[in-house]
Amino acid sequence: GAVVSQHPSWVICKSGTSVKIECRSLDFQATTMFWYRQFPKQSLMLMATSNEGSKATYEQGVEKDKFLINHASLTLSTLTVTSAHPEDSSFYICSAGGTSVFGEQYFGPGTRLTVT
Amino acid sequence: AQSVTQPDIHITVSEGASLELRCNYSYGATPYLFWYVQSPGQGLQLLLKYFSGDTLVQGIKGFEAEFKRSQSSFNLRKPSVHWSDAAEYFCAVGASTGTASKLTFGTGTRLQVTL
Repeated sequence: GAVVSQHPSWVICKSGTSVKIECRSLDFQATTMFWYRQFPKQSLMLMATSNEGSKATYEQGVEKDKFLINHASLTLSTLTVTSAHPEDSSFYICSAGGTSVFGEQYFGPGTRLTVT
Repeated sequence: AQSVTQPDIHITVSEGASLELRCNYSYGATPYLFWYVQSPGQGLQLLLKYFSGDTLVQGIKGFEAEFKRSQSSFNLRKPSVHWSDAAEYFCAVGASTGTASKLTFGTGTRLQVTL
């Protein structure tokens, strides 16, 4: 149980275009989903927290107009990188929180974005 | 603000040897503590977690961790390492935001296992 999927697992896009990454909780309802960014050989940096049906809460320094997050249902959240630039190239990981009051998160396998 | 320190960036152990990965945290209340493992190019897998109660917690793959409040530590241990344990290990502290905990991760420890 507690499986989270991400799609695509790997994407290459041209500078100036937008790309959407999907995060799905497959066997549980995720009230809250988190989006992280990870640079090579570094830790995970929380970008934003999204709750189903409401606007995402972005961490300081994260551009909300560039990284659009939508959490339209209890099983799906999307991250859209708008007008992508090479510096947006990174590994993006989502996680989903279930109904546990102790705050466990279940992580997706990640999406590697390369902007050329 | 909560924070996590993993003092060891890289550790190398021989297969069959014991392992201890260090984690120190800073948090104002009783912390929710986690250890995750990440294989190259993959997401994170939960090894174990501590919320309350017994300070020695058992996890998957033969891992255990001990919560020591007096030392603000949550070190991960394994008595005998296998080559497949080579990966990146992250300690995290959580602050509940309702039904999900906002996690703060340490910088990670890369484990290399020699045969």
